[in-house]
Amino acid sequence: GDSVTQMEGPVTLSEEAFLTINCTYTATGYPSLFWYVQYPGEGLQLLLKATKADDKGSNKGFEATYRKETTSFHLEKGSVQVSDSAVYFCALSEGRQGFSFIFGKGTRLLVKP
Amino acid sequence: SQTIHQWPATLVQPVGSPLSLECTVEGTSNPNLYWYRQAAGRGLQLLFYSVGIGQISSEVPQNLSASRPQDRQFILSSKKLLLSDSGFYLCAWSRTGQETQYFGPGTRLLVL
Repeated sequence: GDSVTQMEGPVTLSEEAFLTINCTYTATGYPSLFWYVQYPGEGLQLLLKATKADDKGSNKGFEATYRKETTSFHLEKGSVQVSDSAVYFCALSEGRQGFSFIFGKGTRLLVKP
Repeated sequence: SQTIHQWPATLVQPVGSPLSLECTVEGTSNPNLYWYRQAAGRGLQLLFYSVGIGQISSEVPQNLSASRPQDRQFILSSKKLLLSDSGFYLCAWSRTGQETQYFGPGTRLLVL
């Protein structure tokens, strides 16, 4: 079945460092791909998404490119801030009804000043 | 704009007691609704989803149940809580025919 694999955390970086969080997926069709962010004690917020191969999603300085050839959707940011400390979830959806969402286990990011 | 509410925010319940968590969505009609559980150190597990009033699909067999008595209200219930029911419960919604899900603030449940 479909699955999403994320790099295990925690990822600890200094402020202004470059961030990469790896995400790979397996799917039978052509899924849409998502990154969600969860700040401590809160629900998930949509960070960015891409719906087809070679699309790049971007928001708040974060970027991810849908790579069909490598089945990947890695999250990147050029310069992280302390406020970016959170748990990041990669997810895929193959159904327009949404109930086919598959989430990765999440990667915790800790940014130190 | 659309908003999603969950309550209570935090709940501590003894084993064997009943449970009722509520989720409501404002600013949209006929949304798809979802209940997820997030256990400590684990990802999100889809528990139930609903595409309309009275229509509930269960993804994981357990002692929990869900109901949708109104278009924008989704309730998660249990008759007798287990220790293993502890976790962070998230409600989400999506527009009919669209994939993106929007999450509520969550309810933290501790069963003692």
